[in-house]
Amino acid sequence: AAGVIQSPRHLIKEKRETATLKCYPIPRHDTVYWYQQGPGQDPQFLISFYEKMQSDKGSIPDRFSAQQFSDYHSELNMSSLELGDSALYFCASSGTGTGVFYEQYFGPGTRLTVT
Amino acid sequence: GEDVEQSLFLSVREGDSSVINCTYTDSSSTYLYWYKQEPGAGLQLLTYIFSNMDMKQDQRLTVLLNKKDKHLSLRIADTQTGDSAIYFCAERLQTGANNLFFGTGTRLTVIP
Repeated sequence: AAGVIQSPRHLIKEKRETATLKCYPIPRHDTVYWYQQGPGQDPQFLISFYEKMQSDKGSIPDRFSAQQFSDYHSELNMSSLELGDSALYFCASSGTGTGVFYEQYFGPGTRLTVT
Repeated sequence: GEDVEQSLFLSVREGDSSVINCTYTDSSSTYLYWYKQEPGAGLQLLTYIFSNMDMKQDQRLTVLLNKKDKHLSLRIADTQTGDSAIYFCAERLQTGANNLFFGTGTRLTVIP
């Protein structure tokens, strides 16, 4: 079965640079979530989108922005990167039309290293 | 934020049962989940339980929910070395937001 796709899988950036992470949800899923997992920590919710509109916002820094496009893929844009932004960034998706909207499936993650 | 607590480590011998525990504070949880994370990998949805259920069994996995004590557990029968991973419990609240709040994670080590 198709899973959530994230690209790139690994990214190395320097301080103050920008980064763009991409997420392709499972086909027919209309909701996308972004989570950040620091080293040895649990995943923390950043932001989510439903039908291309922002639905919920968590602990996302003002330096970060995100959007969901007409094909339901999503991009997380990160600017003025700081060392503390080094983490695994997960995208998850769920589908309100699938009958099991409460099942949230995660992608493999993008490991961002800021040097 | 919401507090979801788990013990950090658990070691069991291969073939034994593992029980991973989780406590949460928000009584408005609607769904409670168990995810598995292997080193450097993503989060794999193992199972979940709706808050009006007490128990759910899925092959080797048994989820028990004590809503009064806000306690959730995951029992893995006949634990195998491939079960070694970090296990996260997570809750989805009734407040309208659909995001998940994760526990601290339990690192399960299976000893051959």
